Amino acid sequence: GAVVSQHPSWVICKSGTSVKIECRSLDFQATTMFWYRQFPKQSLMLMATSNEGSKATYEQGVEKDKFLINHASLTLSTLTVTSAHPEDSSFYICSASPGGKQETQYFGPGTRLLVL
Amino acid sequence: AQSVTQLDSHVSVSEGTPVLLRCNYSSSYSPSLFWYVQHPNKGLQLLLKYTSAATLVKGINGFEAEFKKSETSFHLTKPSAHMSDAAEYFCVVSANSGYSTLTFGKGTMLLVSP
Repeated sequence: GAVVSQHPSWVICKSGTSVKIECRSLDFQATTMFWYRQFPKQSLMLMATSNEGSKATYEQGVEKDKFLINHASLTLSTLTVTSAHPEDSSFYICSASPGGKQETQYFGPGTRLLVL
Repeated sequence: AQSVTQLDSHVSVSEGTPVLLRCNYSSSYSPSLFWYVQHPNKGLQLLLKYTSAATLVKGINGFEAEFKKSETSFHLTKPSAHMSDAAEYFCVVSANSGYSTLTFGKGTMLLVSP
C-alpha cells in the first residue's frame, strides 16, 4: 500500500515552454501533497505544500507564478513549470500524506526535467 | 525551528560488515524522525520512523535506529551490509506539532565494496 506515482519520469523541453508533472496517490487519499526539488548530489528542498481544494503554500524563495501547483482532488496534484529555463533543470519529487496526525510522507519516484 | 545534521557525506564499508550512519537533530518540539533511502534516479523509500513510542526502531531490510534524546541523535545501523544497500540515505526530522513539514539532512552516500 501507500504508492505514489509521478508522470512523466523524464521530460526534455525547449527553453520557454511549460511542463506539467503529475503526482498521484494510487491507493490512499492524500489530504496533503508536497513538492520537492533535488539538485545533483544534494538533499531535497521543499518547494511547496498543497492541501486538496486550497491554494498551495510556497517556501521562501520559490516563485509561485513560475511553479504552479494544483491539488484538484484527493489523489492528484500537478506541478507546472511555466516558461522553463535551463536553470529549472532538476529532479522534482512529490510526496503525499494521508493527513491527520500521521506524518509519514510517501514519495513518488521523481521526474527528471531537462530544459535545453 | 528544526534541523538535521548528517555527520558523514560518504561511508564506505565492505560487504558483510556493520553499517553506521550518523544523524543528529534539533527541534523545538518533540520530534518525529525518519530515515529514507534513495537509489540512483529513484524516489525515496521509507526505511523506518520514530514517533515517540519505542526508542529502538526496526525498519525494513535489516536496518534499525535508536532515538537518544540526551544525545539528540538518531543513528542508523545494520549488522551486515549487502551490496544492494549502496545508496543515498537521508535522515529527516518533523516537528511533532501536527503539521507534516519535513526537514532533510544533506544525505550520506553508502558505498559497499565486495
